[in-house]
Amino acid sequence: ILNVEQSPQSLHVQEGDSTNFTCSFPSSNFYALHWYRWETAKSPEALFVMTLNGDEKKKGRISATLNTKEGYSYLYIKGSQPEDSATYLCASYTNAGKSTFGDGTTLTVKP
Amino acid sequence: GAVVSQHPSRVICKSGTSVKIECRSLDFQATTMFWYRQFPKQSLMLMATSNEGSKATYEQGVEKDKFLINHASLTLSTLTVTSAHPEDSSFYICSASKGGRGQQETQYFGPGTRLLVL
Repeated sequence: ILNVEQSPQSLHVQEGDSTNFTCSFPSSNFYALHWYRWETAKSPEALFVMTLNGDEKKKGRISATLNTKEGYSYLYIKGSQPEDSATYLCASYTNAGKSTFGDGTTLTVKP
Repeated sequence: GAVVSQHPSRVICKSGTSVKIECRSLDFQATTMFWYRQFPKQSLMLMATSNEGSKATYEQGVEKDKFLINHASLTLSTLTVTSAHPEDSSFYICSASKGGRGQQETQYFGPGTRLLVL
């Protein structure tokens, strides 16, 4: 992996469904991975900053895991609600200070 | 807490003019501020990193004479697009971090500025 890739590009789920999406990043020179939620017409909101292999973080119904050796992070949303509809961005940071954002996964939760 | 504002939210200007965008941390002191741009259907791309009182560090390929960044205080950074041209039309967004842990710090984003150069 040379760039940060997020999949899927978009996702439509029903209210109450649980969902997850992936951020793949270069594992060499890894320093930190950030997850953000970006609602339309608002500022991106920081969800998690992850640095250690095996890290698991949780914020309410949202959780994330990190595998720095294979270069991926999963974001999980349990029991999706319409207010979870947003674009979820990940950004990978290297120890040389380079940051690369993924294109995001756009989640739509239908009531 | 940790609110970042940006002004203006939208600006239309004529080719050849300069445009200044302000980024303010409203309720915290920002050790570091970052400037990004986003082209349609593309991801955020870091343009430069600035620390209060020192010169900004620009990413490769970003012209520092074109995109002037000033971080005059711990709560204000400005990005000036000089002699703007239509190809500079883009979405510009800033973020700020509180402490000194570099990329391990949470970044707090502003709402962005949409620039259209005619």
